[in-house]
Amino acid sequence: DIQMTQSPSTLSAYVGDTVTIACRASQTISAWLAWYQQRPRKAPKLLIYKASMLESGVPERFSASGSGTEFTLTISGLQPEDFAMYYCQQYNDYPYTFGQGTRLEIK
Amino acid sequence: QVQLVESGGGVVQPGRSLRLSCAVSGFSLSDYAMHWVRQAPGKGLEWVTILSHVGINKYSIESVRGRFSVSRDISKSTLYLQMDSLTTDDSAVYFCARGGGGSYFDLWGQGTLVTVSS
Repeated sequence: DIQMTQSPSTLSAYVGDTVTIACRASQTISAWLAWYQQRPRKAPKLLIYKASMLESGVPERFSASGSGTEFTLTISGLQPEDFAMYYCQQYNDYPYTFGQGTRLEIK
Repeated sequence: QVQLVESGGGVVQPGRSLRLSCAVSGFSLSDYAMHWVRQAPGKGLEWVTILSHVGINKYSIESVRGRFSVSRDISKSTLYLQMDSLTTDDSAVYFCARGGGGSYFDLWGQGTLVTVSS
């Protein structure tokens, strides 16, 4: 199975900050990577697919990059609603796997 | 309106069975792969299984293989997850999700809670 490792596990920031979350795959996954946001007691929401493609309706302050094994999600100008859990997910091969998650907390 | 609505969760004893349903609207099940993803209380996301757009259960994670099966009724626009021989490790919120090109998950239901407990 492909292991996905996110860092950091927890990130504290202020409204208006720019933050970056990293995701590493245990083997190459090309660009078959998605990012999700999950607010408490809610379903995950797709933010990014194919490593850098912004899902329709997602604010442009979200951006992402990477290929192979190293990926990043950047949120520029944090808004109060951005404080949530973030997960990366590979869909290069079965079983599809998620990172363990990054909790973005308000400082 | 494009949406997914899960139902069928509840409390069940170890070893028993449960069937989850996912009613879809705004699109046809024959046009998309569909997935089940679960989340144990306080834990991360775990992908469980896929039903291809042609109705084939292509893959399931090892821990549920032989116990869980996914199917659909296109006429009812409903996806199912049949869960047999449940264990306490299966306790989780179960989400159905629509597969985007690839497959990432571009649309999610609200989830249904399954608690396996004696």
